[in-house]
Amino acid sequence: AQSVTQLDSQVPVFEEAPVELRCNYSSSVSVYLFWYVQYPNQGLQLLLKYLSGSTLVKGINGFEAEFNKSQTSFHLRKPSVHISDTAEYFCAVSAMNSGGYQKVTFGIGTKLQVIP
Amino acid sequence: DGGITQSPKYLFRKEGQNVTLSCEQNLNHDAMYWYRQDPGQGLRLIYYSQIVNDFQKGDIAEGYSVSREKKESFPLTVTSAQKNPTAFYLCASRVQSPLGGYTFGSGTRLTVV
Repeated sequence: AQSVTQLDSQVPVFEEAPVELRCNYSSSVSVYLFWYVQYPNQGLQLLLKYLSGSTLVKGINGFEAEFNKSQTSFHLRKPSVHISDTAEYFCAVSAMNSGGYQKVTFGIGTKLQVIP
Repeated sequence: DGGITQSPKYLFRKEGQNVTLSCEQNLNHDAMYWYRQDPGQGLRLIYYSQIVNDFQKGDIAEGYSVSREKKESFPLTVTSAQKNPTAFYLCASRVQSPLGGYTFGSGTRLTVV
């Protein structure tokens, strides 16, 4: 079975400060990793993904994430946040299950609140 | 532009009623999914379909039903057997390969009154 842990349910940060949203996963097989963003009363939008290759992945809106296999982590970072980054962020892991299906598991989300 | 359309955006249901949530996509994606979102619980998979005329139960299928008669459409029926249906429902699709990630609709908020 696979699981995703987002360690912080809420992260307040001042505008123009850096931010890191933490994500750890567990899986007995190789995984693909994703970060999604959700604005209020909307669906989720893909921010970035790790499939293979370089462990540093760059996404939209200036976000990046680093895959660390030894620590089973995929933390999301932005060097300088803007008010418009206020949203909920979801980490997700995709891995093949015993039935040959790529199962996706989402974390419970981290609410990023940017303070002016 | 291609995308996923969910309707209605807001839906109110009386106890004991069945309601159907619509999900239509024009992305030519094979796989479609229904998720339920509750505060503090993330997204939980209700049903998914990888091809037309076939669908599988997810983690919380009880009280829900789906159909997949067309590639573009994957409606979800919330039946009276679902004891706590008030939630935000999200439809998603993707190509069969996981490499592209999901495309999500904008959601339907269902409230039982």
